[in-house]
Amino acid sequence: EVQLVESGGSLVQPGGSLKLSCVASGFTFSNYWMDWVRQTPGKSLEWIGEINTDGSKTNYAPSIKDRFTISRDNAKSTLYLQMSNVKSDDTAIYYCTRIETYYFDYWGQGVMVTVSS
Amino acid sequence: DTVLTQSPALAVSPGERVTISCRASESVSTLMHWYQQKPGQQPTLLIYLASNLESGVPARFSGSGSGTDFTLTIDPVEADDTATYYCQQSWNDPWTFGGGTKLELK
Repeated sequence: EVQLVESGGSLVQPGGSLKLSCVASGFTFSNYWMDWVRQTPGKSLEWIGEINTDGSKTNYAPSIKDRFTISRDNAKSTLYLQMSNVKSDDTAIYYCTRIETYYFDYWGQGVMVTVSS
Repeated sequence: DTVLTQSPALAVSPGERVTISCRASESVSTLMHWYQQKPGQQPTLLIYLASNLESGVPARFSGSGSGTDFTLTIDPVEADDTATYYCQQSWNDPWTFGGGTKLELK
């Protein structure tokens, strides 16, 4: 059974930093691109970035580019999202997702990040 | 970015047929996918590539469309289908989602 389990969410002050983790199981992690998607309170879903299978290539949404960094450790089957210089607009549930070529076929349960002073 | 427009909400009675629409601001070919999100849960994949049913999803769900106009159909609707439904395109970068359609049962 495919499982994606996020952790690391918390309350963080504006301008602060936070690192989210996502541990994958039930599939060969190193064979899949992985993405992060967020959902702001009461609003829709927003793709924020992706990483290729060996971690050598990343792409980001303009809204978070140069502030967030996606990385992975295939030996640990773990995906990361390093968040820096966070803003109130970054308050959201962050989902780790697996990519099946063109769509998100599995989602983690999500982790809440709240940016507030 | 490609904007996907969905009706905000629908209310139907169990046993009825419901269609949920998604209109794209530009063509997305058939790279349109549908997700279901129940309250307090993560989204789950229902339909991929416009019309393909994800494994384990009941055959009551179906998808159609190409270009800019897409439809998710549930027939018949059951009480367990109460959820928000999102469309998502992957033809144009960045991948984008619709605003979601909240389905309520009468």
